[in-house]
Amino acid sequence: EPEVTQTPSHQVTQMGQEVILRCVPISNHLYFYWYRQILGQKVEFLVSFYNNEISEKSEIFDDQFSVERPDGSNFTLKIRSTKLEDSAMYFCASSRSPLTYEQYFGPGTRLTVT
Amino acid sequence: KQEVTQIPAALSVPEGENLVLNCSFTDSAIYNLQWFRQDPGKGLTSLLLIQSSQREQTSGRLNASLDKSSGRSTLYIAASQPGDSATYLCAVRPTYSGGGADGLTFGKGTHLIIQP
Repeated sequence: EPEVTQTPSHQVTQMGQEVILRCVPISNHLYFYWYRQILGQKVEFLVSFYNNEISEKSEIFDDQFSVERPDGSNFTLKIRSTKLEDSAMYFCASSRSPLTYEQYFGPGTRLTVT
Repeated sequence: KQEVTQIPAALSVPEGENLVLNCSFTDSAIYNLQWFRQDPGKGLTSLLLIQSSQREQTSGRLNASLDKSSGRSTLYIAASQPGDSATYLCAVRPTYSGGGADGLTFGKGTHLIIQP
């Protein structure tokens, strides 16, 4: 069964460093998402991506964040200058269509900022 | 702003019992509602998707219902097993556009323990 994959599973970085989280969505999906979950809190939407551009973004997704689909398979989230409060589990998800189909989530990347 | 609440926050029942998890949302303008399962330190596994026009969906021992007008959904688990132990999350997709509406709004989840 197709699944969303994410790398790395765990990333430790120092405050102020740039990180890139990588995702490979399900191959026939057209909509891609990033969410985050701070420990003990709800899963929060960050950004959606469709047709090679950002479709929607939440208020969390500020100028330090960016997303890219560099090729036909990968979808990346870049955090330019990490802060302690960026420590969280980051989930990538994909869907054929957000209105009629499920969103499928990857296993997540645990980001620890020290 | 849409708020999703799940009660109870935690539930522990003996194996074999049938149980109901509750989800409520403040804004009934939704396209669909999705139930997920999350195992500790892991990703989210989609269990069921209910469109706003549907009343319920079934998958194996799971049955989810939706009452959009009252802002409620329930997840019914029949004949619970220890392997069902996990956190169950409810999430809604709003109908409005803009402001991050593409994304799902999640509840905090119900932590379920099935005692062998």
